[in-house]
Amino acid sequence: AQSVAQPEDQVNVAEGNPLTVKCTYSVSGNPYLFWYVQYPNRGLQFLLKYITGDNLVKGSYGFEAEFNKSQTSFHLKKPSALVSDSALYFCAVSRGNSGGYQKVTFGTGTKLQVIP
Amino acid sequence: NAGVTQTPKFRILKIGQSMTLQCTQDMNHNYMYWYRQDPGMGLKLIYYSVGAGITDKGEVPNGYNVSRSTTEDFPLRLELAAPSQTSVYFCASSYGGRRSSSYEQYFGPGTRLTVT
Repeated sequence: AQSVAQPEDQVNVAEGNPLTVKCTYSVSGNPYLFWYVQYPNRGLQFLLKYITGDNLVKGSYGFEAEFNKSQTSFHLKKPSALVSDSALYFCAVSRGNSGGYQKVTFGTGTKLQVIP
Repeated sequence: NAGVTQTPKFRILKIGQSMTLQCTQDMNHNYMYWYRQDPGMGLKLIYYSVGAGITDKGEVPNGYNVSRSTTEDFPLRLELAAPSQTSVYFCASSYGGRRSSSYEQYFGPGTRLTVT
């Protein structure tokens, strides 16, 4: 069975400091990995994904994530946090495939609080 | 493009009542999904569809039904509402095909349902 762990319910960071939101996963075969962000009373928005290729993936709003196969991790990072980055962040995994439906498993979310 | 739209935004139901949550997407995605989001629990898949006329159960289908008569619409039916169905419901869609699980999902704004 595949799974996603986001070990921190909440991450607090000062504005201007670098931020990291952690994610580890378990899936058979090659993983497809995603990060989504959810602002209050909104649906999830796609940030970035790793499918194949370069382990460092760049996405929207200056976010990036590093795929580490040996540690089965896909941590989300940003060099300089903004107050507007405060939101709920979800990591998700699915099994790499060549066709047909594959289940997507979401983590339980990490609340990021950027302190002015 | 409106993306994924959901109606209503809010609803209060009495125990035993029924209702339909509407979902429409205008991106010509063939995959559509219904999730529920409960605090601290992440997203749970209720039902999904890989194309018009094809639906299948997700992790938590009990108490719900779906249909998919067109590519654009994917309504979720709640029969005999129960307090355990109090939640926020999200509809999502994605491209599906070769390497279908590599494509990100697009989410609607959600429906907040309370059953009392």
